[in-house]
Amino acid sequence: KQEVTQIPAALSVPEGENLVLNCSFTDSAIYNLQWFRQDPGKGLTSLLLIQSSQREQTSGRLNASLDKSSGRSTLYIAASQPGDSATYLCAVLSGNTGKLIFGQGTTLQVKP
Amino acid sequence: NAGVTQTPKFQVLKTGQSMTLQCAQDMNHEYMSWYRQDPGMGLRLIHYSVGAGITDQGEVPNGYNVSRSTTEDFPLRLLSAAPSQTSVYFCASSYSSGRAYEQYFGPGTRLTVT
Repeated sequence: KQEVTQIPAALSVPEGENLVLNCSFTDSAIYNLQWFRQDPGKGLTSLLLIQSSQREQTSGRLNASLDKSSGRSTLYIAASQPGDSATYLCAVLSGNTGKLIFGQGTTLQVKP
Repeated sequence: NAGVTQTPKFQVLKTGQSMTLQCAQDMNHEYMSWYRQDPGMGLRLIHYSVGAGITDQGEVPNGYNVSRSTTEDFPLRLLSAAPSQTSVYFCASSYSSGRAYEQYFGPGTRLTVT
């Protein structure tokens, strides 16, 4: 059974720092991996999607990497800003049925 | 495109009442899913559909029914609400070509069962 773990559960950093959020999964036979952002009381916004054949994806200050063999993904946020404060969720798609398995999320606070 | 829409945004039910959470998408996506999000439990899959007329159970299906008569709509029915169904419910859709099953989520329905 696929399990997804995100460490740390919470992270507080000063503005301007570069930071890395971690995601690990137990079954390397994934179809893709998707990173989401969730603001308090809001829905999920897709940040980056990495297909199983890809190693990384970039969008602005965000860079996500994928190492299927080790069952790990990282989300790198450069030059963090207070507006980046949110919960970041990692989810893997293990088959072609649209079923995502989510991690518990990392809650990020960026202090001015 | 409106994307994935959900109604209502908020709902309060009494134990034993029934209701239907509505979900619609206008992106012609094949796949649609329902998740619930609870503190400390993350998001868990309730039911999913790979196309009109085809549905299957997810991780936590008990107490919920679904049907998919059209590509656009995927309603979630609570037959007899229980306090344990107090949660935030998210509907999602995805397609199988091009962007390889990228999931799009609705804004959520916050349900309280008293």
